[in-house]
Amino acid sequence: AQTVTQSQPEMSVQEAETVTLSCTYDTSESDYYLFWYKQPPSRQMILVIRQEAYKQQNATENRFSVNFQKAAKSFSLKISDSQLGDAAMYFCAYRETSGSRLTFGEGTQLTVNP
Amino acid sequence: ETGVTQTPRHLVMGMTNKKSLKCEQHLGHNAMYWYKQSAKKPLELMFVYNFKEQTENNSVPSRFSPECPNSSHLFLHLHTLQPEDSALYLCASSLGSGGTYEQYFGPGTRLTVT
Repeated sequence: AQTVTQSQPEMSVQEAETVTLSCTYDTSESDYYLFWYKQPPSRQMILVIRQEAYKQQNATENRFSVNFQKAAKSFSLKISDSQLGDAAMYFCAYRETSGSRLTFGEGTQLTVNP
Repeated sequence: ETGVTQTPRHLVMGMTNKKSLKCEQHLGHNAMYWYKQSAKKPLELMFVYNFKEQTENNSVPSRFSPECPNSSHLFLHLHTLQPEDSALYLCASSLGSGGTYEQYFGPGTRLTVT
């Protein structure tokens, strides 16, 4: 069974600084999708960024980028120029190419200090 | 706003009550999902519907009964719940049920079972 592990329950960063959130996963599949979701205090789950496993190039979305290491089964999220609005719980998630199930990690609570 | 709405946003019910959670999506999607988010645990997929047909049941107890009358509406009927069923229940939808399709989440229903 696929598992997703986020080893950092909490992280903090100063406003305008850069922070990296870690995620590892376990799968025997060669093709799959990886996601980072953000859940602010409103509890609305919002997709931040996605990565297709067959793509070697790391995904980027404005201030958000990933470091995808397929062999190491690692998928970290880098947030540059952190803003107060980035404070939230961040979840890493995995999904098989043909599957409907999203498997989530335990989450990392990010605090942004002014 | 992601185009997925859930009602009610908060619900308190006794163990002998019967209640229903409602989810509606305005995105023209064909797949809908129920997830359970408990404190200190990763999100857990409960049910998947694709074109109104249930395609996945993640070993959910029968006291949770889903209903999908059409592709835009999803219900979760609750009866004889236990205190450990207290959690945030999230609904999501996607254009298709395969891995390439992004899931859009609703704001959730915070359920407390007394």
